[in-house]
Amino acid sequence: GQNIDQPTEMTATEGAIVQINCTYQTSGFNGLFWYQQHAGEAPTFLSYNVLDGLEEKGRFSSFLSRSKGYSYLLLKELQMKDSASYLCAVNIDYKLSFGAGTTVTVRA
Amino acid sequence: DADVTQTPRNRITKTGKRIMLECSQTKGHDRMYWYRQDPGLGLRLIYYSFDVKDINKGEISDGYSVSRQAQAKFSLSLESAIPNQTALYFCATSDPGGYTFGSGTRLTVV
Repeated sequence: GQNIDQPTEMTATEGAIVQINCTYQTSGFNGLFWYQQHAGEAPTFLSYNVLDGLEEKGRFSSFLSRSKGYSYLLLKELQMKDSASYLCAVNIDYKLSFGAGTTVTVRA
Repeated sequence: DADVTQTPRNRITKTGKRIMLECSQTKGHDRMYWYRQDPGLGLRLIYYSFDVKDINKGEISDGYSVSRQAQAKFSLSLESAIPNQTALYFCATSDPGGYTFGSGTRLTVV
């Protein structure tokens, strides 16, 4: 099976920066997605990395190192509405394999 | 209208009952998927279909079956529901541009 690991929980203060790491050991790799998910709702797309390096999109950035099997999602200028679960998912042969998700709590 | 629509949104059923969850999409995508989500376990793939005549098992297909009635429709059936199938179920579609998820069906088996 696929092995995709990310921390279970993280807590940060409003206005701060949080980095969520994801490591993977998978049979095949066609890119890595990050999704945000609020409780009971559908995952919503944040980023997609296929090549090594940093992708920046507003307050969110995502980094990928294929040789290390490593990615991170960086959330800057945290807002209360960023409290959610963040899912790392590896795209393998047109199917997504997900990590268990990281619950981020933003405190005032 | 949503691109990927799941019905019902919520369902409570009894152990041993047959139940069908339905998914329809207006994206025009060939690839469709069913995932289940349990607390602490992330989303796990149940079945997937890359076109109308293609059906494939995912990592947790036991106790489930699917039907791809048309490009736009992909339904998931629980032949005899059991309590450990209580979960949040998501349908998704994809093309080279990415994946689109439905709003989910919360299923409770009592």
